[in-house]
Amino acid sequence: GQQVMQIPQYQHVQEGEDFTTYCNSSTTLSNIQWYKQRPGGHPVFLIQLVKSGEVKKQKRLTFQFGEAKKNSSLHITATQTTDVGTYFCAGLSAGGTSYGKLTFGQGTILTVHP
Amino acid sequence: EPEVTQTPSHQVTQMGQEVILRCVPISNHLYFYWYRQILGQKVEFLVSFYNNEISEKSEIFDDQFSVERPDGSNFTLKIRSTKLEDSAMYFCASSKTLLNTEAFFGQGTRLTVV
Repeated sequence: GQQVMQIPQYQHVQEGEDFTTYCNSSTTLSNIQWYKQRPGGHPVFLIQLVKSGEVKKQKRLTFQFGEAKKNSSLHITATQTTDVGTYFCAGLSAGGTSYGKLTFGQGTILTVHP
Repeated sequence: EPEVTQTPSHQVTQMGQEVILRCVPISNHLYFYWYRQILGQKVEFLVSFYNNEISEKSEIFDDQFSVERPDGSNFTLKIRSTKLEDSAMYFCASSKTLLNTEAFFGQGTRLTVV
């Protein structure tokens, strides 16, 4: 079945440093979504990428979707302590009969030291 | 802002017992999902539900599990004969459409099987 791999598993940064997490799918995706989960919280939707090569920005966050629609990245510029949490990518398979089944990556746990 | 609500927030049950986890999706959403997250691990898809029937289910969602929308507002997950390894956070989610749309997650029910 479809697998979504995400690296790194952990990332510790000093406040102000940049952060990037990478996501790779074993199959071509219809779209990819990114979620943030604070410690003890639930996944909260950040963004969705649909088009090949798409780049979207949300303030300090930049999201990219690969040309082959099999990989994606999230980059945070100048991290702040409020960025702490686990960042998950979640892919929706292209074609087939995947009715809304999001396959999540393992997540990257981001800690930010003030 | 509309939200997905789940009850209870924490459920402790003895091994072998049946539990019902309840969810109230966002009112104008048509697609409903259950996911689970074992402590420290990634979010795993269990099942999607549309038009009063299961659209897709994962290999985790075996005969031990069932879902129901009994009254047009609640969406329930029943787990029969619970096992220790069923201990996890169970998230309900809903979305307006099937594709190209965000999933709104509830706060989760932490199930502890003892």
